[in-house]
Amino acid sequence: QVQLVASGGGVVQPGRSLRLSCAASGFTFSSYALHWVRQAPGKGLEWVAVVSYDGTKQYDADSVKGRVTVSRDNSKRTVYLQMNSLRPEDTAVYSCASGRDSYGSAFFEHWGQGTLVTVSS
Amino acid sequence: SYVLTQPPSVSVAPGQTARITCGGNNIGSKIVHWYQQKPGQAPVVVVYDDSGRPSGIPERFSGSNSGNPATLTITRVEAGDEADYYCQVWDTPSEHVIFGGGTKLTVL
Repeated sequence: QVQLVASGGGVVQPGRSLRLSCAASGFTFSSYALHWVRQAPGKGLEWVAVVSYDGTKQYDADSVKGRVTVSRDNSKRTVYLQMNSLRPEDTAVYSCASGRDSYGSAFFEHWGQGTLVTVSS
Repeated sequence: SYVLTQPPSVSVAPGQTARITCGGNNIGSKIVHWYQQKPGQAPVVVVYDDSGRPSGIPERFSGSNSGNPATLTITRVEAGDEADYYCQVWDTPSEHVIFGGGTKLTVL
């Protein structure tokens, strides 16, 4: 059974940093790209970033460019999202999802439940 | 950057056919995926690669992408199909994943 469990969310002040983690199990973690997707309360899905199967390629959305770093540790079956200079508009549930390919261009096969990040003073 | 446009809402009576569209510039040249998201739940892929159907997804769900727009079709709609539906593509020039704004399907 595939599981993707995100953690690390919480309430943070604008301008501060936060590191999210997503622990995976139940599939060949090191073979697939891992994405972060967020959903603001009552809003739609917004893609945030992706890291390739081996961690050598990362792409991120324009809305977070320069403020986030996505990485992975295949030995720990965990993907990370380092978020800096947080803004109120970053408030959302952040979920990780596994891609059906190695570099991130395929569909999202498995999704986790997400962790809530609230940016507020 | 690339934009996908979906109608905010679609309503259909039980047993009828729902069609949810996804428009974008030259979308026929891209590969479209569709997700269903019910309240409080993670999204689930219902159509991948324009018209593929994952195991466990009813045959009532189908997709097409022969031009603008791409379309998700749900035949013999049931109350349990009520959910938000999102289309998604990979935009190669920008190396970005793009989601449509989502369509709320209401079963009357």
